[in-house]
Amino acid sequence: QKEVEQDPGPLSVPEGAIVSLNCTYSNSAFQYFMWYRQYSRKGPELLMYTYSSGNKEDGRFTAQVDKSSKYISLFIRDSQPSDSATYLCAMSETGRRALTFGSGTRLQVQP
Amino acid sequence: DAGITQSPRHKVTETGTPVTLRCHQTENHRYMYWYRQDPGHGLRLIHYSYGVKDTDKGEVSDGYSVSRSKTEDFLLTLESATSSQTSVYFCAISESIGNQPQHFGDGTRLSIL
Repeated sequence: QKEVEQDPGPLSVPEGAIVSLNCTYSNSAFQYFMWYRQYSRKGPELLMYTYSSGNKEDGRFTAQVDKSSKYISLFIRDSQPSDSATYLCAMSETGRRALTFGSGTRLQVQP
Repeated sequence: DAGITQSPRHKVTETGTPVTLRCHQTENHRYMYWYRQDPGHGLRLIHYSYGVKDTDKGEVSDGYSVSRSKTEDFLLTLESATSSQTSVYFCAISESIGNQPQHFGDGTRLSIL
Protein backbone atom coordinates (compact mmCIF):
# COMPACT_ATOMS: atom_id res chain seq x y z
CA GLN A 1 0.00 0.00 0.00
CA LYS A 2 1.30 3.44 -0.93
CA GLU A 3 2.00 5.94 1.81
CA VAL A 4 -0.12 8.56 0.00
CA GLU A 5 -3.15 7.64 -2.08
CA GLN A 6 -4.70 9.89 -4.69
CA ASP A 7 -7.40 9.08 -7.24
CA PRO A 8 -5.81 9.48 -10.70
CA GLY A 9 -9.02 10.64 -12.37
CA PRO A 10 -9.57 12.09 -14.88
CA LEU A 11 -12.11 14.30 -13.17
CA SER A 12 -14.21 16.25 -15.68
CA VAL A 13 -16.35 19.19 -14.53
CA PRO A 14 -18.16 22.07 -16.25
CA GLU A 15 -16.78 25.58 -16.00
CA GLY A 16 -17.90 27.31 -12.80
CA ALA A 17 -18.22 24.10 -10.80
CA ILE A 18 -16.70 23.56 -7.36
CA VAL A 19 -13.95 20.95 -7.56
CA SER A 20 -12.89 18.73 -4.67
CA LEU A 21 -9.55 16.92 -4.84
CA ASN A 22 -8.46 14.56 -2.09
CA CYS A 23 -5.57 12.53 -0.72
CA THR A 24 -5.37 10.02 2.09
CA TYR A 25 -2.19 9.04 3.85
CA SER A 26 -0.98 6.48 6.35
CA ASN A 27 2.01 8.15 8.05
CA SER A 28 0.82 9.97 11.18
CA ALA A 29 4.16 11.82 11.38
CA PHE A 30 3.35 14.01 8.36
CA GLN A 31 3.06 17.61 9.50
CA TYR A 32 3.40 19.69 6.34
CA PHE A 33 0.95 19.41 3.47
CA MET A 34 1.19 20.86 0.00
CA TRP A 35 -0.77 20.98 -3.20
CA TYR A 36 0.99 21.39 -6.52
CA ARG A 37 -0.50 22.03 -9.95
CA GLN A 38 1.27 20.58 -12.96
CA TYR A 39 0.50 21.52 -16.53
CA SER A 40 1.51 19.20 -19.34
CA ARG A 41 5.28 19.19 -19.94
CA LYS A 42 5.89 21.63 -17.08
CA GLY A 43 7.17 21.28 -13.54
CA PRO A 44 4.94 21.14 -10.47
CA GLU A 45 3.90 24.62 -9.27
CA LEU A 46 3.19 25.16 -5.58
CA LEU A 47 -0.44 26.16 -4.95
CA MET A 48 -1.02 25.72 -1.23
CA TYR A 49 1.14 24.98 1.80
CA THR A 50 -0.28 24.18 5.22
CA TYR A 51 1.05 23.04 8.54
CA SER A 52 -0.82 20.53 10.73
CA SER A 53 -4.63 20.59 10.72
CA GLY A 54 -7.11 23.23 9.65
CA ASN A 55 -8.08 25.27 6.62
CA LYS A 56 -6.22 27.72 4.45
CA GLU A 57 -7.75 29.88 1.75
CA ASP A 58 -6.08 31.68 -1.15
CA GLY A 59 -8.37 33.21 -3.72
CA ARG A 60 -10.43 30.46 -5.33
CA PHE A 61 -8.43 27.73 -3.60
CA THR A 62 -9.04 26.25 -0.14
CA ALA A 63 -6.88 23.56 1.43
CA GLN A 64 -8.16 21.44 4.31
CA VAL A 65 -6.21 19.07 6.51
CA ASP A 66 -7.86 16.54 8.83
CA LYS A 67 -5.05 14.78 10.65
CA SER A 68 -7.42 12.65 12.73
CA SER A 69 -8.73 11.07 9.52
CA LYS A 70 -5.38 11.33 7.65
CA TYR A 71 -7.19 13.13 4.84
CA ILE A 72 -6.43 16.32 2.95
CA SER A 73 -8.51 18.18 0.40
CA LEU A 74 -8.16 20.98 -2.12
CA PHE A 75 -11.29 22.86 -3.18
CA ILE A 76 -11.39 25.01 -6.29
CA ARG A 77 -14.31 27.44 -6.55
CA ASP A 78 -15.61 28.83 -9.83
CA SER A 79 -13.39 26.46 -11.79
CA GLN A 80 -11.97 27.72 -15.10
CA PRO A 81 -10.67 25.89 -18.19
CA SER A 82 -7.22 27.21 -17.21
CA ASP A 83 -7.47 25.07 -14.07
CA SER A 84 -7.23 21.97 -16.26
CA ALA A 85 -4.04 20.27 -15.07
CA THR A 86 -2.79 17.46 -12.87
CA TYR A 87 -2.97 18.20 -9.14
CA LEU A 88 -0.41 16.58 -6.87
CA CYS A 89 -0.62 16.38 -3.11
CA ALA A 90 2.63 16.18 -1.16
CA MET A 91 3.50 15.93 2.48
CA SER A 92 6.52 15.77 4.75
CA GLU A 93 7.68 15.15 8.27
CA THR A 94 9.57 17.70 10.31
CA GLY A 95 13.25 17.66 9.37
CA ARG A 96 12.92 14.98 6.70
CA ARG A 97 14.62 15.43 3.38
CA ALA A 98 11.94 14.41 0.94
CA LEU A 99 8.39 15.12 0.09
CA THR A 100 6.09 12.14 -0.35
CA PHE A 101 3.84 12.69 -3.32
CA GLY A 102 0.52 11.30 -4.41
CA SER A 103 0.46 10.13 -8.00
CA GLY A 104 -1.75 13.05 -9.06
CA THR A 105 -5.35 13.67 -10.16
CA ARG A 106 -5.97 14.90 -13.69
CA LEU A 107 -8.64 17.60 -13.80
CA GLN A 108 -10.45 18.73 -16.92
CA VAL A 109 -12.68 21.81 -16.77
CA GLN A 110 -15.00 21.92 -19.77
CA PRO A 111 -15.93 25.37 -21.17
CA ASP B 1 8.68 31.64 -10.95
CA ALA B 2 11.51 30.21 -8.92
CA GLY B 3 14.81 30.72 -10.76
CA ILE B 4 15.51 27.12 -11.73
CA THR B 5 16.86 26.11 -15.12
CA GLN B 6 17.25 22.50 -16.18
CA SER B 7 19.32 21.43 -19.17
CA PRO B 8 18.90 19.81 -21.54
CA ARG B 9 15.10 19.86 -21.71
CA HIS B 10 15.01 16.78 -23.91
CA LYS B 11 17.52 14.07 -24.58
CA VAL B 12 17.53 10.78 -26.45
CA THR B 13 20.45 8.44 -25.95
CA GLU B 14 21.41 4.79 -26.16
CA THR B 15 21.73 2.16 -23.45
CA GLY B 16 25.17 2.11 -21.88
CA THR B 17 26.09 5.72 -22.55
CA PRO B 18 26.80 8.21 -19.77
CA VAL B 19 24.32 11.06 -19.33
CA THR B 20 24.59 14.23 -17.23
CA LEU B 21 21.67 16.49 -16.42
CA ARG B 22 22.19 19.97 -15.03
CA CYS B 23 20.15 22.05 -12.63
CA HIS B 24 21.00 25.72 -12.14
CA GLN B 25 19.33 27.97 -9.55
CA THR B 26 19.51 31.71 -8.99
CA GLU B 27 17.77 31.73 -5.57
CA ASN B 28 20.84 30.88 -3.46
CA HIS B 29 18.85 28.11 -1.71
CA ARG B 30 20.86 25.62 0.32
CA TYR B 31 18.88 22.50 -0.55
CA MET B 32 18.59 20.98 -4.00
CA TYR B 33 16.88 17.76 -5.06
CA TRP B 34 16.59 15.45 -8.03
CA TYR B 35 13.31 13.58 -8.60
CA ARG B 36 12.06 11.32 -11.33
CA GLN B 37 8.42 11.19 -12.39
CA ASP B 38 6.90 8.05 -13.85
CA PRO B 39 3.26 7.17 -14.55
CA GLY B 40 1.60 5.60 -11.51
CA HIS B 41 4.55 6.41 -9.22
CA GLY B 42 4.34 10.15 -8.77
CA LEU B 43 7.59 11.94 -8.00
CA ARG B 44 10.34 9.95 -6.30
CA LEU B 45 13.50 11.35 -4.77
CA ILE B 46 16.79 10.23 -6.35
CA HIS B 47 19.39 12.32 -4.48
CA TYR B 48 19.50 15.58 -2.64
CA SER B 49 22.11 18.10 -1.53
CA TYR B 50 22.28 20.11 1.67
CA GLY B 51 25.26 22.21 0.68
CA VAL B 52 28.30 22.41 -1.56
CA LYS B 53 29.85 18.95 -1.76
CA ASP B 54 27.22 17.59 0.68
CA THR B 55 24.84 15.06 -0.86
CA ASP B 56 22.78 12.09 0.23
CA LYS B 57 20.70 9.33 -1.32
CA GLY B 58 16.97 9.23 -1.84
CA GLU B 59 14.65 6.28 -2.30
CA VAL B 60 15.62 5.45 -5.92
CA SER B 61 19.34 6.28 -6.03
CA ASP B 62 20.72 3.09 -7.63
CA GLY B 63 22.39 3.84 -10.97
CA TYR B 64 22.64 7.58 -10.30
CA SER B 65 25.32 9.86 -8.89
CA VAL B 66 25.30 13.58 -8.16
CA SER B 67 27.73 16.40 -7.61
CA ARG B 68 27.46 19.92 -6.30
CA SER B 69 30.61 22.03 -6.63
CA LYS B 70 28.81 25.38 -6.44
CA THR B 71 25.70 26.53 -4.58
CA GLU B 72 23.86 27.21 -7.82
CA ASP B 73 24.58 23.98 -9.72
CA PHE B 74 23.49 20.40 -9.04
CA LEU B 75 24.40 17.70 -11.54
CA LEU B 76 22.77 14.29 -11.95
CA THR B 77 24.79 11.61 -13.76
CA LEU B 78 23.69 8.28 -15.12
CA GLU B 79 27.01 6.46 -15.44
CA SER B 80 25.68 3.82 -17.84
CA ALA B 81 22.12 4.56 -18.87
CA THR B 82 19.53 1.77 -18.94
CA SER B 83 16.04 1.72 -20.48
CA SER B 84 14.51 1.68 -16.97
CA GLN B 85 15.93 5.16 -16.47
CA THR B 86 13.72 6.57 -19.22
CA SER B 87 11.73 9.17 -17.30
CA VAL B 88 11.11 12.84 -16.70
CA TYR B 89 13.64 14.28 -14.27
CA PHE B 90 12.85 17.27 -12.08
CA CYS B 91 15.15 19.41 -10.03
CA ALA B 92 13.77 21.17 -6.95
CA ILE B 93 15.12 23.67 -4.43
CA SER B 94 14.17 24.76 -0.93
CA GLU B 95 15.48 27.16 1.70
CA SER B 96 15.38 24.57 4.46
CA ILE B 97 14.46 20.95 4.82
CA GLY B 98 11.18 19.38 5.88
CA ASN B 99 9.30 22.52 6.88
CA GLN B 100 9.65 24.59 3.73
CA PRO B 101 8.03 23.85 0.38
CA GLN B 102 10.11 22.81 -2.58
CA HIS B 103 10.01 24.64 -5.90
CA PHE B 104 10.51 22.78 -9.15
CA GLY B 105 12.12 23.32 -12.51
CA ASP B 106 10.38 22.36 -15.76
CA GLY B 107 12.08 19.01 -16.11
CA THR B 108 14.27 17.05 -18.50
CA ARG B 109 12.57 14.42 -20.63
CA LEU B 110 15.09 11.58 -21.05
CA SER B 111 14.60 8.65 -23.40
CA ILE B 112 17.05 5.75 -23.39
CA LEU B 113 16.76 3.43 -26.36
